[in-house]
Amino acid sequence: DADVTQTPRNRITKTGKRIMLECSQTKGHDRMYWYRQDPGLGLRLIYYSFDVKDINKGEISDGYSVSRQAQAKFSLSLESAIPNQTALYFCATSDLRGQTTGELFFGEGSRLTVL
Amino acid sequence: GNSVTQMEGPVTLSEEAFLTINCTYTATGYPSLFWYVQYPGEGLQLLLKATKADDKGSNKGFEATYRKETTSFHLEKGSVQVSDSAVYFCALSGNTGFQKLVFGTGTRLLVSP
Repeated sequence: DADVTQTPRNRITKTGKRIMLECSQTKGHDRMYWYRQDPGLGLRLIYYSFDVKDINKGEISDGYSVSRQAQAKFSLSLESAIPNQTALYFCATSDLRGQTTGELFFGEGSRLTVL
Repeated sequence: GNSVTQMEGPVTLSEEAFLTINCTYTATGYPSLFWYVQYPGEGLQLLLKATKADDKGSNKGFEATYRKETTSFHLEKGSVQVSDSAVYFCALSGNTGFQKLVFGTGTRLLVSP
């Protein structure tokens, strides 16, 4: 089984709908991240969390919210989806060493299409 | 701010050819540099890293040398295989406090038999 699991893997929805992407990890890491991948733009950080009580905005947090329900779970929500949120979303984790080693562990991605 | 520039792809090679994927960066201070690889249908995984000038990161036959004078971290492999077909991302991270990873746009490599 994957250490970082994302659900759903694929989702098609309509403009205005609320969507939640879920991430769970078995690595025991404190730090969790949500990234968005768009062609030609690479990966951009949406939100990150250092522990259950610590949530931080990344560079493109507008239109998104997150919830850290437990150390192992970090969910990303789109309250009212719009077409330009169509993208591939990745959850990632790291431990404290990852701050300087730069090693993140990624899930397999959730492809979201907003019509 | 910090940024990473990668060569545009796709890079198309025949098996056993030599690979270079260029990466240059802009950063304050002394960042750490990374190459991540994304195989089809998978998430990214760390391929190699270098944390100071003149360091060489290496893994799975890939190498990259941290060149501060040219602000570069080019990825090389002497003989590519079909299984190396993937998207390669250059990234950097600052070394003071929490510094998020800044990724390049990615370069797709296609290796044909």
